[in-house]
Amino acid sequence: EAGVAQSPRYKIIEKRQSVAFWCNPISGHATLYWYQQILGQGPKLLIQFQNNGVVDDSQLPKDRFSAERLKGVDSTLKIQPAKLEDSAVYLCASSFAGGGGYGYTFGSGTRLTVV
Amino acid sequence: AQSVTQLDSQVPVFEEAPVELRCNYSSSVSVYLFWYVQYPNQGLQLLLKYLSGSTLVESINGFEAEFNKSQTSFHLRKPSVHISDTAEYFCAVSDSGNTGKLIFGQGTTLQVKP
Repeated sequence: EAGVAQSPRYKIIEKRQSVAFWCNPISGHATLYWYQQILGQGPKLLIQFQNNGVVDDSQLPKDRFSAERLKGVDSTLKIQPAKLEDSAVYLCASSFAGGGGYGYTFGSGTRLTVV
Repeated sequence: AQSVTQLDSQVPVFEEAPVELRCNYSSSVSVYLFWYVQYPNQGLQLLLKYLSGSTLVESINGFEAEFNKSQTSFHLRKPSVHISDTAEYFCAVSDSGNTGKLIFGQGTTLQVKP
């Protein structure tokens, strides 16, 4: 089966600019996650969707980050305006259903550099 | 809330030597435990997981991990490593309910030397 697709792979922007990342999960996977991985740290959950509804966005900096999952399939994550500390790899993952037992499939990530 | 501590940030080891990557977790509820591997410039890949049953779980490439509830640990071991095992390894925990949210440790870099 096709994996989780993410684009772009790399992005360099100046601080205060905006940026958007795109994720296409595995077909049939109802649950979609966005994680932020800062260099030298483990991934941190930003937001979790179940179909097109938000399950958990408690760690999402809502003053600058937003995410949507229209029609319960593709998802976009946006940062506006970006700060230097947003430099990280943004990972998208999908799962057949909520619940850790189903396991996640991760995309290759988008590496964001804010200068 | 759950948390994960990986006790070593870097583990250098010679090829064909045994290795152990240590992971401790904290949780007030029943958990699932995972090890993920990340090769350079790639996404995270599931290495193995503990959901229930036998406390010793194995991967297809020779790694194993043992769930120890009393010590709240899930250490990863391999009796003989290869150069190709060089990567970042992440321990993760999720609650055994329906949220599926993974909490990751800080990662351990395994450096296998020839």
